[in-house]
Amino acid sequence: GAVVSQHPSWVICKSGTSVKIECRSLDFQATTMFWYRQFPKQSLMLMATSNEGSKATYEQGVEKDKFLINHASLTLSTLTVTSAHPEDSSFYICSAEGRDSNYGYTFGSGTRLTVV
Amino acid sequence: GESVGLHLPTLSVQEGDNSIINCAYSNSASDYFIWYKQESGKGPQFIIDIRSNMDKRQGQRVTVLLNKTVKHLSLQIAATQPGDSAVYFCAEIVYTGRRALTFGSGTRLQVQP
Repeated sequence: GAVVSQHPSWVICKSGTSVKIECRSLDFQATTMFWYRQFPKQSLMLMATSNEGSKATYEQGVEKDKFLINHASLTLSTLTVTSAHPEDSSFYICSAEGRDSNYGYTFGSGTRLTVV
Repeated sequence: GESVGLHLPTLSVQEGDNSIINCAYSNSASDYFIWYKQESGKGPQFIIDIRSNMDKRQGQRVTVLLNKTVKHLSLQIAATQPGDSAVYFCAEIVYTGRRALTFGSGTRLQVQP
C-alpha cells in the first residue's frame, strides 16, 4: 500500500530559529501533498495544499511567509517553519495524494515541534 | 466541521462490547467520507471509507453508517479490544471541490479490560 514517511518525528528548537519538516511518498508519486497542524486534544486543521512544481495554496489565516512549503519533486514536500515561536509548537502532519487520485488519505506519522 | 474547545468527548466501553462513535459532518455536498484512528503521537490511520451513494459499508470488525438526511456518520466497532483505544476522527471530502479532507472534532475511545 501507499506509504508516507515524515521526518523528523520530533524536534525541539529555540525561538527565532527555523525548522524544516520533510514528507516523502515512498512507493508512489505524490502529485499533491497536504499539510495539517494539530494542537493538543484538537482535530487536524489544514494549513496548505502543495502541488508538485507549483506554489502552495494556503488556508485562510495561515501565513505563507512563516510556513514555507516546497514540493520540488513527486516524492518530496517540505514545510519550513521560519522564525519559530512557542505558539508554533504543535503536531504537524502531512498526507499525500497519488496519481490514482486516492484523495490524500495516506498520512505521515507526524512531527512534534516544540519551540522553547 | 471544525474542532472547537480543548476537550475531546470520550466513550468508555468494556472489552468485548460493541462501540458506536458518532460524527456530524458539515457539508451537504460532501460525497466521500473516511474514518481514521489516531494513537497518541502518531498520524491518522485509515479505518474505513464510504461514498455518498451508499448508506452502509462493512469491514473487518467495523461498520460505517451514513445518513445523508441528517448529515450523520457513525462507526461501529464490534468486540472492542484494548488495542482499539485511540482518538477517532471522521473526515469528509467533496470530489469536485478542494481535495483536502475536512476533519471532525474527534472522539476518544477508552477500552476497559
